[in-house]
Parts: sequence; C-alpha cells; structure tokens
Amino acid sequence: EAGVTQFPSHSVIEKGQTVTLRCDPISGHDNLYWYRRVMGKEIKFLLHFVKESKQDESGMPNNRFLAERTGGTYSTLKVQPAELEDSGVYFCASSSLAGYVTDTQYFGPGTRLTVL
Amino acid sequence: AQSVTQLGSHVSVSEGALVLLRCNYSSSVPPYLFWYVQYPNQGLQLLLKYTSAATLVKGINGFEAEFKKSETSFHLTKPSAHMSDAAEYFCAVSGSNDYKLSFGAGTTVTVRA
Repeated sequence: EAGVTQFPSHSVIEKGQTVTLRCDPISGHDNLYWYRRVMGKEIKFLLHFVKESKQDESGMPNNRFLAERTGGTYSTLKVQPAELEDSGVYFCASSSLAGYVTDTQYFGPGTRLTVL
Repeated sequence: AQSVTQLGSHVSVSEGALVLLRCNYSSSVPPYLFWYVQYPNQGLQLLLKYTSAATLVKGINGFEAEFKKSETSFHLTKPSAHMSDAAEYFCAVSGSNDYKLSFGAGTTVTVRA
C-alpha cells in the first residue's frame, strides 16, 4: 500500500511568487492534515480536512495560504504571495475512515520550501 | 490547550547503551500522547501512542514509553541502542476531542559505534 506522497520534495522560489504544494493521502483516508516546521522550531498544525470539508483551519497563519481538497482525494496548499518567513518543511498526514482522535496519522516525507 | 516540552535537542549514546528521551506535557484535558521518529529523507513514523489504556506502552523497534500523570511525563526508552536508531524523535500530544497534534521541538539522536 502506498504511503502519503507529497510533491515537490523541494521548492525554491523568490519572495512574492506563488507556490502550490500537493499531497496525496493514503487511499481511503478521509482525514487529511497539513503541518509546517519552520527552521529550528516545532512542527505546527495548519489545518484538517474531513473529505473535502475543512474541519479545523485554526493553524493557518494568514490569508496568503489557501488549502483545497477537491473531491476529497488529494489536497493542495497554495502560498500566494510567498514571504521569507514561509520557508520551512510542509508535512501532510492522513488518517483512516474511522475518524477517531487516536487514529494514527501517517505522514508524508514533506516538501521543503525555501523563499529567497 | 496542549503542549509538550522535549528536554535536550541532541542526545548522543553509544551503541548498546540505554536510550532515554524526555517529554513532559501540559494539557487541560486528559491527553493522548505520541512518539514519532523521522529518519533522513523520510516522513514521520509512529513509534507508539498512549490512549488512556495501559500506562506502559510498547512500540516498534524495541521502544517503550511510560505515562506518568503525577509527573506529566511520557519519556521514551530503549534498553540497547542500535546504529539504526539514529534519527530525530518527536513527542506529540492531542486532547481527547482534538485531532490536531502539538509537537515538541524534537530530539536528534546520534549513536556512536
């Protein structure tokens, strides 16, 4: 069974440009999460989808970030326009249909975003 | 709100020695606690989790952790380190009605031959 995949693995962009990160969850997982780790800091929650609906977006830093999950399958996270402080590693995770709080969240390898 | 503190950003152990990684939590509700490991160029992998059943939790690769409510701790141990244990380890907490995980800053483990 394929795990959570993320694309691209690395992205280097200039300040003010737009970047779109993609996450493909484990097949059949209704719950999808985005997290971010800024250099030297903790991994921070960004948002949680249940199918195509945003369940919790309390961690989204500002309106330059837009997350979507079309048809409840893959998800994209767009940053527009990117700022220097957006640099970091963006992780995606998914968990099973059961939707219990204690369900294991399976993480992808992350996308390393560098904004110059 | 929930949070965790991991003591020590770097830990170096000799092969065969005890691995002890410390994690203290703060939670306003009964917590669920997790340890994840990240090997180079890979995603986070769950080692073990505490979900209010047994306080001593056994995980993969010989790791275990003990939930101590009186000490608000969830330390991770492995009796004998192996070279393959070199990685970054994260403690995380969630509340009983909260899907999102709150992570510690991570502890990087190096294993000396």
